[in-house]
Formats: sequence, C-alpha cells, structure tokens
Amino acid sequence: QVQLQESGPGLVKPSQTLSLTCTVSGGSISSGRYYWSWIRQPAGKGLEWIGRIYTSGSANYNPSLESRVTISLDTSKNQFSLKLSSVTAADTAVYYCARGSYRVDFWGQGTLVTVSS
Amino acid sequence: QSALTQPASVSGSPGQSITISCTGTSSDVGGYDSVSWYQQHPGKAPKLMICDVSNRPSGVSNRFSGSKSANTASLTISGLQAEDEAEYYCSSKSSSNTAVFGGGTKVTVL
Repeated sequence: QVQLQESGPGLVKPSQTLSLTCTVSGGSISSGRYYWSWIRQPAGKGLEWIGRIYTSGSANYNPSLESRVTISLDTSKNQFSLKLSSVTAADTAVYYCARGSYRVDFWGQGTLVTVSS
Repeated sequence: QSALTQPASVSGSPGQSITISCTGTSSDVGGYDSVSWYQQHPGKAPKLMICDVSNRPSGVSNRFSGSKSANTASLTISGLQAEDEAEYYCSSKSSSNTAVFGGGTKVTVL
C-alpha cells in the first residue's frame, strides 16, 4: 500500500518561499509508471491542481501558478518537493501530495500552510 | 484554465438516486476521456471514486457510476446512503498536459 506524507513549515511569511516535501513509502517514485502531484485546498473551498512531475523530471504546472512554482524529485530519498515563491495570504491552504495527475489514487493526509507575518 | 462547473449542492433521500454534473469545455472534459470523481468527507483527504469517465477503482461501491456527454460529465449515486453525504469533486485533463478540478458539490442525505 502506497503512503504519502507531507512535511514542511506550517507558517510562511508573505513574499517568502513555501517549501514542502512529500515522502513516499510502499512504492518507488522512480518506477516510471506514475506522475506525482501537488494539490491544494483553501479552508472551506475547492481543490486546486498545482502541478505534477514524472520520473524523468518532466513537470507540468497550473498556468495560474506557473511563474511561481517548481516541483522536483529526489529519487534517492523517494521524495518529491514543492516550492512556491512570493507567497501571499491567498496561498494559505491545506497542501496535498498525491500519486497520479488525472487519476489520483493515493493522497497524503494534507498539511496546512498559513501565510502570515 | 477555468474551474469546471458543478452545482453547489444536491440532496436526496435514502435509497434514491442523485446525479451531479460537471461542465467544462472542449479543451478539458469534452476533449479527453480523463474525467475523475472524488469524494471528500470533512477533514479528510479526497478519495477516488471514478476514473477515466466511468471506471470504478477496486473497492468502490457499484452504486457509484460515471458518464460523459460532450462537455459535461456526470456522477450518479444510486441507493443513496447516509455515508454518501460528503463533498464531491470532478477533475479532468486539460490542454497543455494540466488538470483542472470542479468547484465541488455538497451532497446531503435528507
């Protein structure tokens, strides 16, 4: 059973960079069969797709966030990461890491990131 | 890309059937057979209920079914049960190898 766990600071100051890591267990992220995604959800609101990365390192991003987002892989640690720069209060949300992109079958539990000074 | 359009809420009595719509464009829902549906209970991560328009992952009740016509996908829940009360989200592949979610539909079991 694949499990995903997000980790990172729960509080980020405005204009700084949000950094989160997702540790995958129960399966290898370098198996070449899956995309690995980040999805977020502001409190009381809907889901927003942030982006995805493949084993090759090829990534795709939500056009509305593309200028501020980077998703990367660390296959040696079986992890993938999210960096979101120049954050504002609007970036406050629960951030999920997940396996898949159009068909997300495993999700992390989610981690709340608050942007505030 | 704009979010897919879902009704804010749908309700039904136990045992009834309900259908949730998810409307997009030819650049997403209408252009690909990559529509998924997720169920989310409060405070929990979403759960995949339907993928590739109409396929049920292993372990998902056959009371859940999906379909698509043109730019609109639909999720039908038959034999509605109390445990089905949750938020439901559709998602679709979109142009440029991205994905887009719907705004969510609150299902209430009366």
